[in-house]
Amino acid sequence: GAGVSQSPSNKVTEKGKDVELRCDPISGHTALYWYRQRLGQGLEFLIYFQGNSAPDKSGLPSDRFSAERTGESVSTLTIQRTQQEDSAVYLCASSLYQNTEAFFGQGTRLTVV
Amino acid sequence: AQRVTQPEKLLSVFKGAPVELKCNYSYSGSPELFWYVQYSRQRLQLLLRHISRESIKGFTADLNKGETSFHLKKPFAQEEDSAMYYCALNRRSQGNLIFGKGTKLSVKP
Repeated sequence: GAGVSQSPSNKVTEKGKDVELRCDPISGHTALYWYRQRLGQGLEFLIYFQGNSAPDKSGLPSDRFSAERTGESVSTLTIQRTQQEDSAVYLCASSLYQNTEAFFGQGTRLTVV
Repeated sequence: AQRVTQPEKLLSVFKGAPVELKCNYSYSGSPELFWYVQYSRQRLQLLLRHISRESIKGFTADLNKGETSFHLKKPFAQEEDSAMYYCALNRRSQGNLIFGKGTKLSVKP
């Protein structure tokens, strides 16, 4: 389909390892968001990309977290030296423009053991 | 501080009963508010937005700027309404969405 695609769907990693999560937004969508959803918690904003503007990184919890986006296409969220508290579902969403409906991916479930 | 508050983690009602999911926001600018829903094993999806003033699946929500609220209502709940509901604020000046912690609605037969 033409929805937001995230990979992998599940990732188990050892504490201290780096992980990279991928998001393929809907083609033509200029805005892209990353959120974290811990078990039993709401959606925690991580980072927002809008076109070629500087990303809003205000939600990144530590310098172990970083994200990149190439133009208006794929984005990768990287977590370095993973910790157990990083275990969560990481959700990506995209929208056509700023301030329009966001479409979500299925998420990547990250488990740090 | 900009935030969205959903005071109830869980709301349980019987089929046919009215339901109201509460949402309050804090935002100094002109807010744009949404309700998103996540059914079991499905993606998070938009339910409705305040600017559309529409009714979706029997749900309505009115923005009350005086009370800074955007409560979601349905007069007669159905079992298929059971899901997680998230209230979201679009911060126009920054363009990104922030979400409340969500309310799990359980509609019992």
